[in-house]
Formats: sequence, structure tokens, C-alpha cells
Amino acid sequence: GAVVSQHPSRVICKSGTSVKIECRSLDFQATTMFWYRQFPKKSLMLMATSNEGSKATYEQGVEKDKFLINHASLTLSTLTVTSAHPEDSSFYICSAREGRGQYHEQFFGPGTRLTVL
Amino acid sequence: QKEVEQDPGPLSVPEGAIVSLNCTYSNSAFQYFMWYRQYSRKGPELLMYTYSSGNKEDGRFTAQVDKSSKYISLFIRDSQPSDSATYLCAMSGSTDSWGKLQFGAGTQVVVTP
Repeated sequence: GAVVSQHPSRVICKSGTSVKIECRSLDFQATTMFWYRQFPKKSLMLMATSNEGSKATYEQGVEKDKFLINHASLTLSTLTVTSAHPEDSSFYICSAREGRGQYHEQFFGPGTRLTVL
Repeated sequence: QKEVEQDPGPLSVPEGAIVSLNCTYSNSAFQYFMWYRQYSRKGPELLMYTYSSGNKEDGRFTAQVDKSSKYISLFIRDSQPSDSATYLCAMSGSTDSWGKLQFGAGTQVVVTP
């Protein structure tokens, strides 16, 4: 159980284009989803937290107009990198958490490698 | 000072040895402690989840939490080359209802045949 998928697993795009990444919880309902960015040999950097049906909360320093997050249902969240530039190239990982309160485990997707040319 | 400290390694051990990993933290509000394993270019995989202090065992893995010392550990018995990965500790506190995690830097483990 507790499977999270991401699509696509890898994407290459030209500078200036927008890219959408999907994150789905396959066997549970995720009230909260998180989006992370990871640089090579570095730990995870939280970008934003999204709750189903409400606006995402972005971490300090993350441009919300550049990284659009939508959490339209309990099983789907999307991250759109708008007007992507080479510096946006990175490994993007989502995670999902079931319920609130006591259970704080997060289950991660396999990640999406974005390369902006 | 970072909230969660973890030695990045690399930690190299021979096959069959015990791998010992640990993290220290400064925030006494942390109550939920997790260990994740991450293979190269993959998402983290949850290995162990512990609430508050104590020990938890699952197969070859044992997680320990000592809240009085603000110290958590993960032990891997009978290590295998397939255990070679980066291990991340993560934790969160009850004051954060969304469950945002604070991660350590991750320790790279190499198990040599």
C-alpha cells in the first residue's frame, strides 16, 4: 500500500516553455501533498505544501507564480513550472500524507527529472 | 545551526556487517521520526516510522529514538550490497498539523561484497 506515482519521470523542454508534473496517490486519499526539489547529492528542499481544495503554501524563497501547484482532488496534485529556464533543471519529488493528526508519514513518488535546454 | 544534523558520509562497510546511522536534532517539539532510503535518481522510500521515544524493529532494521538526548539511530543488520543507498532521517512535531518534515542531509552508505 501507500503508493505514490509521478508523471512524467523525465522531461526535457526548451527555455521559456511550461511543464506540468502530476503526482497521484494510488491507494489512499492524500489530504496533504508536498513538493520537493533535490539537487545532486543534496537533501530534499521543501517547495510547497498543498491541501486538497485550498491554495498551496509556499516556502520562503519559492516563487509561487513560477511554480504553480494545484491539488484538485484527494488523489492528484500538479506542479507546473512556468516559463522554465535552465536554472529550473532539477529533480522534483512529490510526497503524500494520509489524514491529519497523529500520522506524519509521508510517502514519496519516484521523482521527475526536469532538464531545461 | 541546522535543526537536524546528519553525517553525509560516505559510510563504507563490508557485506554482513551492521550499519549504524544516526541523527541529532535541536527542536524538542519533534515527536515523529522517520528513516527513508533513497537510491540514486529515485524517490525516498519509507523504512521506519517511530512515534516518541523507544525502539522499533522490522526485519533487519532497528530504529531507536532517545528524546532526552535528541538522538535517533537506525541499525541495519546483515547488510547486503543492495542496501547501498542514501539514508535520510526525517522528523516532525505535533505543533505542525500538516506534518512538514525536517530532513537530515542524508548519509551515503556503501556495502562492499
